[in-house]
Amino acid sequence: GAGVSQTPSNKVTEKGKYVELRCDPISGHTALYWYRQSLGQGPEFLIYFQGTGAADDSGLPNDRFFAVRPEGSVSTLKIQRTERGDSAVYLCASSFTGEETQYFGPGTRLLVL
Amino acid sequence: AQSVAQPEDQVNVAEGNPLTVKCTYSVSGNPYLFWYVQYPNRGLQFLLKYITGDNLVKGSYGFEAEFNKSQTSFHLKKPSALVSDSALYFCAGFYGNNRLAFGKGNQVVVIP
Repeated sequence: GAGVSQTPSNKVTEKGKYVELRCDPISGHTALYWYRQSLGQGPEFLIYFQGTGAADDSGLPNDRFFAVRPEGSVSTLKIQRTERGDSAVYLCASSFTGEETQYFGPGTRLLVL
Repeated sequence: AQSVAQPEDQVNVAEGNPLTVKCTYSVSGNPYLFWYVQYPNRGLQFLLKYITGDNLVKGSYGFEAEFNKSQTSFHLKKPSALVSDSALYFCAGFYGNNRLAFGKGNQVVVIP
């Protein structure tokens, strides 16, 4: 079956702009996660959805970051007033429940100039 | 702190030789432990996991991992490395707090 998909695969933007990153989880997976991976590091947790609600957003670095999952499937990560330090690969993962294996998408590589 | 550690930066191994990638975990709770592999410009691919039971876990592509509670380790192993195994390997722990805690990753280079 289809895996987790993310669009766009690459995004280049200018400092101060707004960006949206999209994630399509595996069909039937109720849990969805966003992680951020900086160069040379392991992924770091941002936010976890169970269904439509953000069950845990404690990993979001500041209030410029926001994510939604309005229908319990597709999720969008939104970053306002982007900064150069936001440049990273943003990974989305989904799992059948909150404690099952997480399956990752290919990521969106964000570059803020 | 709930964390995993991958003490090595890069692992070099000759093709056909055994491959070992090391991981240790913090003992807070009883974490589920995972290994993922990442190829260039691609996402993380799940290899295997340990939840409970047999300490030797078998996974994809001929990989296996051994859970050792006394040493708090979960090393990834493959009896005979292939050039195509060259990639970035991540160990991760799930401590029941809605997230995976990843190590920094190990670059594996298999030399032909």
